[in-house]
Amino acid sequence: AQSVTQPDIHITVSEGASLELRCNYSYGATPYLFWYVQSPGQGLQLLLKYFSGDTLVQGIKGFEAEFKRSQSSFNLRKPSVHWSDAAEYFCAVGAIPGTGRRALTFGSGTRLQVQP
Amino acid sequence: DGGITQSPKYLFRKEGQNVTLSCEQNLNHDAMYWYRQDPGQGLRLIYYSQIVNDFQKGDIAEGYSVSREKKESFPLTVTSAQKNPTAFYLCASRVTLTGTSGAGELFFGEGSRLTVL
Repeated sequence: AQSVTQPDIHITVSEGASLELRCNYSYGATPYLFWYVQSPGQGLQLLLKYFSGDTLVQGIKGFEAEFKRSQSSFNLRKPSVHWSDAAEYFCAVGAIPGTGRRALTFGSGTRLQVQP
Repeated sequence: DGGITQSPKYLFRKEGQNVTLSCEQNLNHDAMYWYRQDPGQGLRLIYYSQIVNDFQKGDIAEGYSVSREKKESFPLTVTSAQKNPTAFYLCASRVTLTGTSGAGELFFGEGSRLTVL
């Protein structure tokens, strides 16, 4: 069964500092991986996705993520955090046709707080 | 603009009452999903539908029911059998999974917050 682990429930960084949010997955094949962001009381917005090819993926709002097969990780990074980045971030692993699982599986989320 | 519309945004229910949450999409997506979100638990899959008139249970389907009579609509009913229905409910859609193109991302609505009084 596929699963996603986000080890950090809550992270606080200073504005302008770099950010890395961790995501580890468990899946029997090459996964399709996603990062979403959610502002309070809102739906989820896609930041970026990895399907295949280049393991460093660029997304919106200056975010990037790196797929590391050897570590089963897909960590999200941003070189300089802005106050508007304060939100909850979710990592998700996608379904593969033929597996019977046809919906994304989400991690429990990491809440990011940005200090001025 | 294309998107997913959920209504109502806030809903209050007395114990023992059924309530229905609406989800409408104009993205022409075949697949639609319902997730439940509780603090610290991420999103858990309730039901999903790949095509009209077909749907499958997710991980936490007990106490919920759905229908898919139209491609655009996927309403969720929270029944009185659901023991702890207070939560934030998210509807999503995406293109049908086909071959290697099946890795499409989910598009989400703005959510509906249900509170049981």
